[in-house]
Amino acid sequence: DAKTTQPPSMDCAEGRAANLPCNHSTISGNEYVYWYRQIHSQGPQYIIHGLKNNETNEMASLIITEDRKSSTLILPHATLRDTAVYYCIHRRAAGNMLTFGGGTRLMVKP
Amino acid sequence: KAGVTQTPRYLIKTRGQQVTLSCSPISGHRSVSWYQQTPGQGLQFLFEYFSETQRNKGNFPGRFSGRQFSNSRSEMNVSTLELGDSALYLCASRDTEESPLHFGNGTRLTVT
Repeated sequence: DAKTTQPPSMDCAEGRAANLPCNHSTISGNEYVYWYRQIHSQGPQYIIHGLKNNETNEMASLIITEDRKSSTLILPHATLRDTAVYYCIHRRAAGNMLTFGGGTRLMVKP
Repeated sequence: KAGVTQTPRYLIKTRGQQVTLSCSPISGHRSVSWYQQTPGQGLQFLFEYFSETQRNKGNFPGRFSGRQFSNSRSEMNVSTLELGDSALYLCASRDTEESPLHFGNGTRLTVT
């Protein structure tokens, strides 16, 4: 997995939208963007993934720029339980090896 | 469906001992992979099993081995433990190659 760039930390007020950016300028045409998060002492939790279209599920929305070199994960109404480290990676769908970078430590505050 | 289950949750061993970690994937998932996570190195891929066969292997010494059983449950073994093997060991499963990985909560191994 190639390297992605994320801000090391962000704060968000409870109930507000959290927008987490990720730069992945070396992404290849057949690689997906995946987002995971990890709450302390737990395993990484899959959030969402996409290729080039924007995606939404019950947890979050994923906005991918037209050139696919960056994306934004949106948690529409952040709660205290969303406090975690969020990882963005890009890889081929049919592949197993994952490499997480430093991620963004999101702190949701009351 | 139950998630990926890893046992034990915590383990303390001394140098030179060996350890076996267990992973039960999500029901129906045939692919199981193992990862080591440390503060310094981040998440590193160990190996992947599919239908009892090792399909991929990361860059770890031969002291790290694994296997998968016919019911898709998997075990990972580390022999001759070293202090540097202290880490969170994560197991992940998926049902198809295109599916995202689903992780367990890991086994935290401390080697003293």
